[in-house]
Amino acid sequence: GEDVEQSLFLSVREGDSSVINCTYTDSSSTYLYWYKQEPGAGLQLLTYIFSNMDMKQDQRLTVLLNKKDKHLSLRIADTQTGDSAIYFCAEMRKGNTPLVFGKGTRLSVIA
Amino acid sequence: DAGVTQSPTHLIKTRGQQVTLRCSPKSGHDTVSWYQQALGQGPQFIFQYYEEEERQRGNFPDRFSGHQFPNYSSELNVNALLLGDSALYLCASSVQGVNTEAFFGQGTRLTVV
Repeated sequence: GEDVEQSLFLSVREGDSSVINCTYTDSSSTYLYWYKQEPGAGLQLLTYIFSNMDMKQDQRLTVLLNKKDKHLSLRIADTQTGDSAIYFCAEMRKGNTPLVFGKGTRLSVIA
Repeated sequence: DAGVTQSPTHLIKTRGQQVTLRCSPKSGHDTVSWYQQALGQGPQFIFQYYEEEERQRGNFPDRFSGHQFPNYSSELNVNALLLGDSALYLCASSVQGVNTEAFFGQGTRLTVV
């Protein structure tokens, strides 16, 4: 099964906030990432958080990390139609290890 | 400053053929990782190259091989193609030892018929 789990779909109205959730299993993960993938495109790094942090804010994006529950979330404030995409959560485990991705959450923004 | 570039963007091959995909890392990056993204799935790690050597490998058969050149660019080779190899192949570049940010290319869409 997947080591990183995400809900598959999320639909929000334009202007509302979106919250995309992710759970991971490896407590030794050092960094956790959010990537955005638009149709037919590669992955765009949105933000990342170090495992000793609880929160990171970057403009409209807020990342919350609950290390005890191994839960990561991405909040997008004032969601726009251009935010419609698939969002991937990924973890980097201890050391120089490759990223482990979830299956992605498809965000649909309704105008 | 060019980001990660991959070529070709799309490719159609027949079962049993061989394919080579190419990746140029972001300027200043020395490490290249390859991922396979099947339809509806997240990317799966294939292998990583640093200093022209394969450093780490995911759960992929030996049909998948690679190479890194002195200028840090990389190739992914797949032999004896199967229908199941149809996927988006993504290249990511980073700096060895400073893995906070891995930047991805646009990918190569491989279709095996």
